[in-house]
Amino acid sequence: DIQMTQSPSSLSAAVGDRVTITCRASQTISKWLAWYQQRPGKAPKVLIYEASKLVSGVPSRFSGSGSGTEFTLTISSLQPDDFGTYYCQQYISRLYHFGQGTTVDIK
Amino acid sequence: HVQLMESGGGLVKPGGSLRLSCAASGFTFGDYYMNWIRQAPGKGLEWVSFITATGPTTYYTDSVKGRFTMSRDNAQNSLYLQMNSLTAEDTAVYYCARGNYCDSRGYLCAFDVWGEGTMVTVSS
Repeated sequence: DIQMTQSPSSLSAAVGDRVTITCRASQTISKWLAWYQQRPGKAPKVLIYEASKLVSGVPSRFSGSGSGTEFTLTISSLQPDDFGTYYCQQYISRLYHFGQGTTVDIK
Repeated sequence: HVQLMESGGGLVKPGGSLRLSCAASGFTFGDYYMNWIRQAPGKGLEWVSFITATGPTTYYTDSVKGRFTMSRDNAQNSLYLQMNSLTAEDTAVYYCARGNYCDSRGYLCAFDVWGEGTMVTVSS
């Protein structure tokens, strides 16, 4: 199985801050990585697919980068609406494992 | 409006069984791979199972292999998860999700539409 490890596990940042979340795969997954946002009590929402492609309707302050085993999700200017937990997920293998999540709260 | 809606969750005793359903609307259900994902209380997301568009091929995470069976009825726009031999570790919100943003072969897909989830509690 391909394991996904995110860091940090949580962070607190102010509105307007640049936020970066890292996701590492236990073996190469090329570009087959997605990022999801989950607000408390809600279903996850996909933000990024193929490591760097922004889903239609997702604000442009979100961006993804990386390939192989190391990936990042960046929020260029954190907004109050961006609180929640962010998950990476590999989909190169049919065992679609998620990272453990990064909780973002607004200072 | 593209939508998925899960049902069938509830309280079940250890060793018991439960069948979850997921009703799809607003899209051509039979064109898409589908998945079940679960989330234990206060924990992260755990992918559970996957089924191809026509249904003959399924994959499962190791912890549910041999106990859970995923199926679909494209004529009824419905997805199912039969869960047997349930344990407390299966307690979670169960989501169904559609595979989309796929590679050129349609095999490698992110999950673009999710239901609201249905809660399964395994307890005596």
